[in-house]
Amino acid sequence: AQSVTQLGSHVSVSEGALVLLRCNYSSSVPPYLFWYVQYPNQGLQLLLKYTTGATLVKGINGFEAEFKKSETSFHLTKPSAHMSDAAEYFCAVSDHTGTASKLTFGTGTRLQVTL
Amino acid sequence: GAGVSQSPSNKVTEKGKDVELRCDPISGHTALYWYRQSLGQGLEFLIYFQGNSAPDKSGLPSDRFSAERTGGSVSTLTIQRTQQEDSAVYLCASSRVETQYFGPGTRLLVL
Repeated sequence: AQSVTQLGSHVSVSEGALVLLRCNYSSSVPPYLFWYVQYPNQGLQLLLKYTTGATLVKGINGFEAEFKKSETSFHLTKPSAHMSDAAEYFCAVSDHTGTASKLTFGTGTRLQVTL
Repeated sequence: GAGVSQSPSNKVTEKGKDVELRCDPISGHTALYWYRQSLGQGLEFLIYFQGNSAPDKSGLPSDRFSAERTGGSVSTLTIQRTQQEDSAVYLCASSRVETQYFGPGTRLLVL
């Protein structure tokens, strides 16, 4: 069984500051990990994913995440926050035991960016 | 290209009525998923389809919920005898391999 824990339901940063959103996972198989972003009244947009290979993955809008197996973590970072980054962010793990597999999501972190 | 589309975008219904929610996946995507997003429960998996078959229905919360997919494309999620606790955003996603792409969702309000 898979599970995801996102520490901090709300994170507030100043514009230009580092963004760090935390995600820890539990998985019975080598995990596939995803970060999605949700803007108000919209669906989920993929930011980045880790499946195999390089543990530092880069995504859209300047975000990146590092898969650390020893820490069972997949934290999301961005060097400099923009006002447009204000949204809700979800970490998810995939149960990829077949050709299709469901996502198990964390509870989400709402990012606020202040001037 | 065209993304996942869902209709209606909003639905208001009265308790006890049946509702149908529709999802049009990205062309060529063989897998289709339904999730529910609510304040109390977060994002929950409901069901997924590989082609027209549903190998995993484990997330359907009760027998009032059902889903079908025809022609390996469009899917319909049906909720019978709606209850107030069914109020949520219903999200559909599709995938060809491991990455799921989401539609904008249907916001359901049961009065």
